[in-house]
Amino acid sequence: DIQMTQSPSSLSASVGDRVTITCRASQSVSTNLNWYQQKGGKAPKLLIYAASSLQSGVPSRFSGSGSGTDFTLTISSLQPEDFATYYCQQSYSASYTFGQGTKLEIK
Amino acid sequence: EVQLVVSGGGLVQPGGSLRLSCVGSGFSFTSYWMNWVRQAPGKGLEWVANIKPAGSERYYVDSVKGRFTISRDDAKSSLYLQMSSLRAEDTAVYFCARSNCVRAVTASNGVVCKMDVWGQGTTVTVSS
Repeated sequence: DIQMTQSPSSLSASVGDRVTITCRASQSVSTNLNWYQQKGGKAPKLLIYAASSLQSGVPSRFSGSGSGTDFTLTISSLQPEDFATYYCQQSYSASYTFGQGTKLEIK
Repeated sequence: EVQLVVSGGGLVQPGGSLRLSCVGSGFSFTSYWMNWVRQAPGKGLEWVANIKPAGSERYYVDSVKGRFTISRDDAKSSLYLQMSSLRAEDTAVYFCARSNCVRAVTASNGVVCKMDVWGQGTTVTVSS
């Protein structure tokens, strides 16, 4: 199975900050990598797919990059509604896996 | 409106069984892979299982193999998860999600699958 590891596990930041979250795969997943946002135990929301493509309706302050085993999610200027937990997920294998999550908190 | 509605959660004793359902509307259910994803209390997301259109392929996370069965009835736009031999560690909110596979020139085989529509989740509690 492909293991996904995110860092950091938690992060404190202020409104207006630029934030980067990293995701590493245990083997190459090409660009079959997606990012989700989850708030308060509700259903996750897709932000980025194919490593760098912005899902329709998602603000442009969210961006993704990477390929192979190393990926990043960047929020260019944090807004109050961005404080949430973020997950990466690989779909290279039909047996999907998620990273353990990164909780983004207000400083 | 594209949506998924999940039902069937509840309290069950260890060793018991439960069947979850997920009904899709507003899209061509028969065209999409479908998934179950769960989240234990205070924990992260865990992909559980998925199934190809018409059910010809199914995949499971190791921890549920032999105990859970994913199935679908495309005529009813419905996805199911039959859970048996339930354990305390199966306690979680269970979500269903649609896999939308789209062209992506940089992706493996030129296609990437993204879970772009999610149901609201249903809570399964395994406890005596």
